[in-house]
Amino acid sequence: SQQGEEDPQALSIQEGENATMNCSYKTSINNLQWYRQNSGRGLVHLILIRSNEREKHSGRLRVTLDTSKKSSSLLITASRAADTASYFCATEGGSWGKLQFGAGTQVVVTP
Amino acid sequence: DVKVTQSSRYLVKRTGEKVFLECVQDMDHENMFWYRQDPGLGLRLIYFSYDVKMKEKGDIPEGYSVSREKKERFSLILESASTNQTSMYLCASRTQQSSYEQYFGPGTRLTVT
Repeated sequence: SQQGEEDPQALSIQEGENATMNCSYKTSINNLQWYRQNSGRGLVHLILIRSNEREKHSGRLRVTLDTSKKSSSLLITASRAADTASYFCATEGGSWGKLQFGAGTQVVVTP
Repeated sequence: DVKVTQSSRYLVKRTGEKVFLECVQDMDHENMFWYRQDPGLGLRLIYFSYDVKMKEKGDIPEGYSVSREKKERFSLILESASTNQTSMYLCASRTQQSSYEQYFGPGTRLTVT
């Protein structure tokens, strides 16, 4: 069953603009992670935010987490054509590191 | 540099065939996972293994089995392939400690005809 739901499903922006995508989930979590997938490839981990954290930065990425609303957002600043990819949120709530993934947001950045 | 490899990038099999998908990681990770990815559904967990010879069912285990005889290798087996198993299959691994990322292989795109 899907735990995370991303919004929007697709996003088209121009280089230099910011891209924001949101993730909502249903049950309590230990952490929430964001992954990127370039076309037809495996997923690459971007950033992890723990349930007791509210905001985290990594380079041009900014992630927020609101556990009261069970939601997270990923902001990519000053986007580049190379940021074109699908972005997935994944929640970890139990043992053994099981992740529940959302359906993803497809981001297209045009030069 | 961490690495998860999968035996094939593309695979075409016929209905009823037995299919083996192999995954190897070189990071000495305890946990390994098999997912399938379908458009609009994201990644769904098929099986995972928390250690050698250990396995647990994920969300969609029907029609699949797994084998983990060595720590670095996790195999997904389709006992009798069906057309509804046409999908992208992704393997991942991670350390036993909590709050660590999963490392993914490049994926195997399986087509069952």
